[in-house]
Amino acid sequence: NAGVTQTPKFRVLKTGQSMTLLCAQDMNHEYMYWYRQDPGMGLRLIHYSVGEGTTAKGEVPDGYNVSRLKKQNFLLGLESAAPSQTSVYFCASSYSLLQGETQYFGPGTRLLVL
Amino acid sequence: AQSVTQLDSHVSVSEGTPVLLRCNYSSSYSPSLFWYVQHPNKGLQLLLKYTSAATLVKGINGFEAEFKKSETSFHLTKPSAHMSDAAEYFCVVSDHTGFQKLVFGTGTRLLVSP
Repeated sequence: NAGVTQTPKFRVLKTGQSMTLLCAQDMNHEYMYWYRQDPGMGLRLIHYSVGEGTTAKGEVPDGYNVSRLKKQNFLLGLESAAPSQTSVYFCASSYSLLQGETQYFGPGTRLLVL
Repeated sequence: AQSVTQLDSHVSVSEGTPVLLRCNYSSSYSPSLFWYVQHPNKGLQLLLKYTSAATLVKGINGFEAEFKKSETSFHLTKPSAHMSDAAEYFCVVSDHTGFQKLVFGTGTRLLVSP
């Protein structure tokens, strides 16, 4: 049982390039999330999904797009990367949206945009 | 709106001495509260959570936290620090207003010296 996995672990992009971050979970969770973590700040929610084919904006969605074509996968896309998107990106999943439900996190993807 | 304040950005202890990481929260509703730990270059791991049951919550690796509504606090403690406890700790609050949004504190880095 791998839990939540993320690909790639690290990436360097030039400004204007595009890329897709992949998140996969094998826990059959309905809900998935993308966060970014910046120095001196807590994690902030970018987008989330409440089920296959359904996505919604979080706190900081600008410059990102997401897709949830399969229940186990949640993709985060950067169409035209900017230096402000240099960050560590975490994916998470949970079984439900009930209060107190635990979110399980992946190991993160470090992205550097030059 | 909900928020979390972690009162110390860094805490230094010696191995074998007690650990206290402080967290205050603000929430309009009865909150759920979590502590997550992040070891260097790793994802976030749940230490413990409070979901309106017992106010003293025991977690993994000897950590515990006490929910004090009157003080709006959820401090994390451990009687005796171990070198392996050196990591970043995040206090997280969630209230259920249709969607279980997690709000993260800015983190406390725990340093453990021999």
